[in-house]
Amino acid sequence: SAVISQKPSRDICQRGTSLTIQCQVDSQVTMMFWYRQQPGQSLTLIATANQGSEATYESGFVIDKFPISRPNLTFSTLTVSNMSPEDSSIYLCSVATGQEGYTFGSGTRLTVV
Amino acid sequence: ELKVEQNPLFLSMQEGKNYTIYCNYSTTSDRLYWYRQDPGKSLESLFVLLSNGAVKQEGRLMASLDTKARLSTLHITAAVHDLSATYFCAAVVKAAGNKLTFGGGTRVLVKP
Repeated sequence: SAVISQKPSRDICQRGTSLTIQCQVDSQVTMMFWYRQQPGQSLTLIATANQGSEATYESGFVIDKFPISRPNLTFSTLTVSNMSPEDSSIYLCSVATGQEGYTFGSGTRLTVV
Repeated sequence: ELKVEQNPLFLSMQEGKNYTIYCNYSTTSDRLYWYRQDPGKSLESLFVLLSNGAVKQEGRLMASLDTKARLSTLHITAAVHDLSATYFCAAVVKAAGNKLTFGGGTRVLVKP
């Protein structure tokens, strides 16, 4: 199965700033997914990122707040823009792998102060 | 729209006893997944269930799928402290973009 390197693992950011999270996959994958996990909650899909096209955002998430890049089949970034304390969460990327599975990155724990 | 519900949300277990976590989903799903998450960690894949009647077992964990009832269960046999974690089920509908929809999670605490 694919291996994902996600960076940074954690960060503490000032409100009003932006943070870009990177995910690098060790193989080419068509679809990458970005999730948010608020404290003590489940995972919520932010968007699906396909190479060569704009990301598809889920209800409640907008491109201006969570711009996503997908320059090639092994890399994607998620930016959390104009952050507020409500954005404090764990952000995870995921890819669909062979044998019907999904692999997750190690997560980025974001704290906004 | 696919919705996934888990219960219970929290499960306090005694070591050596058996317990079950339930996962209901609202529409026909192509696959059902179970994951484990330890505090501060990412998700660890436990099982993927592909068809009605599927049963998979690994150690003290056994997962099953009833597509007619839209129900999956995760059964824990003779709980041990190492199984303390949060368990998530997730379902996929291929036609809806192949994205995982997660249940709310079940926080499991196994006490001696």
